[in-house]
Amino acid sequence: DIVLTQTPLSLSVTPGQPASISCKSSQSLLYSDGKTYLYWYLQKTGQSPQLLIHEVSNRFSGVPDRFTGSGSGTQFTLKISRVEAEDVGVYYCMQSIQLRYSFGQGTKLEIK
Amino acid sequence: EVQLVESGGGVARPGGSLRLSCAAPGFSMDDYGMSWVRQAPGKGLEWVSSISWNGGSTVYADAVKGRFTISRDNAKKLLYLQMNSLRAEDTAFYYCARGFYRFDPWGQGTLVTVSS
Repeated sequence: DIVLTQTPLSLSVTPGQPASISCKSSQSLLYSDGKTYLYWYLQKTGQSPQLLIHEVSNRFSGVPDRFTGSGSGTQFTLKISRVEAEDVGVYYCMQSIQLRYSFGQGTKLEIK
Repeated sequence: EVQLVESGGGVARPGGSLRLSCAAPGFSMDDYGMSWVRQAPGKGLEWVSSISWNGGSTVYADAVKGRFTISRDNAKKLLYLQMNSLRAEDTAFYYCARGFYRFDPWGQGTLVTVSS
């Protein structure tokens, strides 16, 4: 099974400063159809998760452009260019290339 | 606005059964695969199961394979998760979500507690 390892598990960021979360996969997430099945979700406190980024780098509808996904193969990054108070929550990467989907452990973002 | 509404959670004894439902009134459900994801209290997300748009393809996490069954009724716009042989480790919030490979939106979740 594919294991996704997120780092760091928590980070505290001053508003207006950048933040970066890494997601490393135990196997390549590039499929033969040319797509890379890596997604980022944010779960705000007390809420259901919401999709932020699909297929590595595509911002989902309504997601602010301060969120950027990048990477390839087995290494991926979610960057927030300027953190805002509303970005607080737990960020998860997820893979769906293998039909036993898996999530990373989650990274908790707090505001300083 | 697309909404998903889960129901059917509650308390079950170990070895017991529950059936979760997910209503999808706001969109044409038969255009989409659907999925279930769970989250134990205070823990991370765990994918449970997904089903294709017509029910022809179903996949399960190893932790629930052989005990849980995902199904759907597109005419009624309902998704189901039949959970049998429940264990304490199945205690979690269960979310339904639209999609087979990616999930959006998610429902608000329904809590399943397995306890004697």
